[in-house]
Amino acid sequence: KAGVTQTPRYLIKTRGQQVTLSCSPISGHRSVSWYQQTPGQGLQFLFEYFSETQRNKGNFPGRFSGRQFSNSRSEMNVSTLELGDSALYLCASSFSPGQGAYGYTFGSGTRLTVV
Amino acid sequence: DQQVKQNSPSLSVQEGRISILNCDYTNSMFDYFLWYKKYPAEGPTFLISISSIKDKNEDGRFTVFLNKSAKHLSLHIVPSQPGDSAVYFCAAIPNNAGNMLTFGGGTRLMVKP
Repeated sequence: KAGVTQTPRYLIKTRGQQVTLSCSPISGHRSVSWYQQTPGQGLQFLFEYFSETQRNKGNFPGRFSGRQFSNSRSEMNVSTLELGDSALYLCASSFSPGQGAYGYTFGSGTRLTVV
Repeated sequence: DQQVKQNSPSLSVQEGRISILNCDYTNSMFDYFLWYKKYPAEGPTFLISISSIKDKNEDGRFTVFLNKSAKHLSLHIVPSQPGDSAVYFCAAIPNNAGNMLTFGGGTRLMVKP
């Protein structure tokens, strides 16, 4: 079966611009979460969506936002990009929240570089 | 404040021997613990998990031990294989927090042939 698909794989943006990243979960999965991985801060939770509703949010500024569509696909948006936003952005999906992250599967990520 | 810590950034082990990766946590609300393996430019891959009501879980060559009183967990890989070389992350989920995982900083495991 198809895994979690993230697009694009690589992206270069300029400071001050905005960016939208996309995540298509595994078929049947309705929970989608986003993480940021940087060398300095490691893997950090951004937010989680289930049934088009944000369930949890990590400690990130309001420039980071997301949404989930009725087909469970999710997008995250970062506005007014800063150099420190350069990171690997990972999406993960599962059937539903909780259950000890049962079936929680990560995509390969989008590598964002801000110049 | 790092709630999940992996104090060893790297570990080198000979093929066939045991690899032991350690993880400490501070939040007593963590209910579930997981280990992931990650290669560069790929997402983490789930290895094994353990609920806070257990102290051990095994899956093939991988065993996770949980010591709640010490707030410590470890991953044992026996025997280690060169294909196990990767970065290993431990992660924890608080009670009633959906899939909000808190990750440790990772340990790079190198298994030498």
